[in-house]
Amino acid sequence: GQQLNQSPQSMFIQEGEDVSMNCTSSSIFNTWLWYKQDPGEGPVLLIALYKAGELTSNGRLTAQFGITRKDSFLNISASIPSDVGIYFCAGFNAGNMLTFGGGTRLMVKP
Amino acid sequence: EAGVAQSPRYKIIEKRQSVAFWCNPISGHATLYWYQQILGQGPKLLIQFQNNGVVDDSQLPKDRFSAERLKGVDSTLKIQPAKLEDSAVYLCASSFSGSLDYGYTFGSGTRLTVV
Repeated sequence: GQQLNQSPQSMFIQEGEDVSMNCTSSSIFNTWLWYKQDPGEGPVLLIALYKAGELTSNGRLTAQFGITRKDSFLNISASIPSDVGIYFCAGFNAGNMLTFGGGTRLMVKP
Repeated sequence: EAGVAQSPRYKIIEKRQSVAFWCNPISGHATLYWYQQILGQGPKLLIQFQNNGVVDDSQLPKDRFSAERLKGVDSTLKIQPAKLEDSAVYLCASSFSGSLDYGYTFGSGTRLTVV
């Protein structure tokens, strides 16, 4: 089946630093999504990307849909303690099926 | 707007026992999904309903897992008999039409431990 490879698997950063994570696939996706999951909760949608090359921001978060439609990245600027959590990329394929990456665990040191 | 409701939040059972999870989607959402999330991994789709019909159940282990959405509203997911590898969080999600444009909301999940 389709797989999304997310990296890094985990990050431990200092508060105030910028963060970058990415997601790659061998298959093309029509829509890329970025979710955040807090402990004991379901994933919450952060950003949705609909077109190749699209760059979208949501507050301190910025995400881009790769030109090849096989990758995406998420940047978080000026990290704060509440950014702690697991970030997942996900993609919709032509069959409208949503596939998730393995997640990036972000830890922020105050 | 109320979110996606799931119960129970936690369940511990012995292997070979049966278990059922319940999900009540957001009112008016026609599409309902069940995902399995094993510790340290991303969610994996088990089954997708559109109203009370199954759209995709290709990744549902049908020898032991079953799901239904009889009235096109709430849904139950059952495992019978459970195996140790079924230990996971089972997430329910719903959307208005199955299109991302209308939002895609997850519940808090049911954490299942099989011992």
